[in-house]
Formats: sequence, structure tokens, C-alpha cells
Amino acid sequence: GAGVSQSPSNKVTEKGKDVELRCDPISGHTALYWYRQSLGQGLEFLIYFQGNSAPDKSGLPSDRFSAERTGGSVSTLTIQRTQQEDSAVYLCASSLGTSGEQFFGPGTRLTVL
Amino acid sequence: GDSVTQMEGPVTLSEEAFLTINCTYTATGYPSLFWYVQYPGEGLQLLLKATKADDKGSNKGFEATYRKETTSFHLEKGSVQVSDSAVYFCALSHQAGTALIFGKGTTLSVSS
Repeated sequence: GAGVSQSPSNKVTEKGKDVELRCDPISGHTALYWYRQSLGQGLEFLIYFQGNSAPDKSGLPSDRFSAERTGGSVSTLTIQRTQQEDSAVYLCASSLGTSGEQFFGPGTRLTVL
Repeated sequence: GDSVTQMEGPVTLSEEAFLTINCTYTATGYPSLFWYVQYPGEGLQLLLKATKADDKGSNKGFEATYRKETTSFHLEKGSVQVSDSAVYFCALSHQAGTALIFGKGTTLSVSS
């Protein structure tokens, strides 16, 4: 398919465990974004990649959150020592560098018990 | 900092009714403005956008006009359908390739 894909679609984990969420952007899109969607906070920006570098990490809520992108393509968002307040839908989006239009994936629903 | 404010929902309408969802923003300079839609069980999709003052974005019968003087980007549709039931998000970005700032979303429910 030509769209943004994310895996897993659902993840249930226990408090204190680490989780990794994956995003495959649209081929050729140089920019990649992570957002979090939760009932209380709405849609929040987490981090943005241009190529493999992250010029804007301002939305990461704590040092338990990190992300990397390799080969200018796949990105992984890692949450260490998960807490119940991390439960949310994590959305990935990608865009061509200069178009401004972001295309979103279906999201990963994370539940921390 | 920059922010987007949307009318709170849910908005409940009968089929063929007129729809307005209000959106105002606070930002320096001249951001681009967007409406995204999230249908039940699906991901966010771009509905329409406007990149400069007085631009009108339109798609699928929906319209929104970028009003710099009132810092608004209200979404309108003349005749809603049941299939328009979804959550609508207003958003802004300062330049291509930067993060979107979203409003909290407005749930629209259309009944036949």
C-alpha cells in the first residue's frame, strides 16, 4: 500500500515495561512526525524528523520517551518504564519536505495496565 | 504559544441541515490552516486547507475561509449527510515541514 503504516495496531503492556512502536512512512517522504491522541489531552505533537535527524523534540513528555529514524524511512518510538498515563493512541504522519500536508497512519493503541 | 480553539461538541444534526464548526487560532505571523477528519475506526485524513489570508479551502462540499482579521477558519457545509458523522479537527502549522497544532476536536453526529 502507499499509505503510512504503523505496527502494532494494538499493544497492551504492564506498568514498568518498555514498548516499541513502529512507523513506516510513505515512500519518498522526508519528514516524519509522531503525535499522541488521548481523551484528556487531545492531539499532542511529540517529535519531528527531517531525514534521520530530529530538529524538534519539544513535545516528548519525559526522558522515558525516545525515537529514532534510520535510512530516512522507518521510525521507532520507544517508551521506557511505561506508566498508566502513557495509555493513548500514538499516531505517525509523514510529508514531503516542503508540501506541508501530513498523511497519517492508523495509529497504535497503547494500553498500560 | 500558538493554539487552536474549536467549539465543543458533540454537534447533533439531522440530514440535510447546515453545518458550522467554529475554529479560531492564536499564532504569530501567517500560519497555514487545516481541517482534518477522523471517521469512526479510521485514521486522520486531511479534509481541506488554506495557506494565506482570504484563501478558501473546499472539499466534499465542505468549505472554510482563512480570515486573518478575525483569526478564524470556520468549517461549513450546506447539507450534511449521515456519512459525515465523524470527529473534525482544526489545525495550524507555521511552515511546511513543521508540527501541526490541533484543536481538541468536534464530534459531529448526523441522523437520518
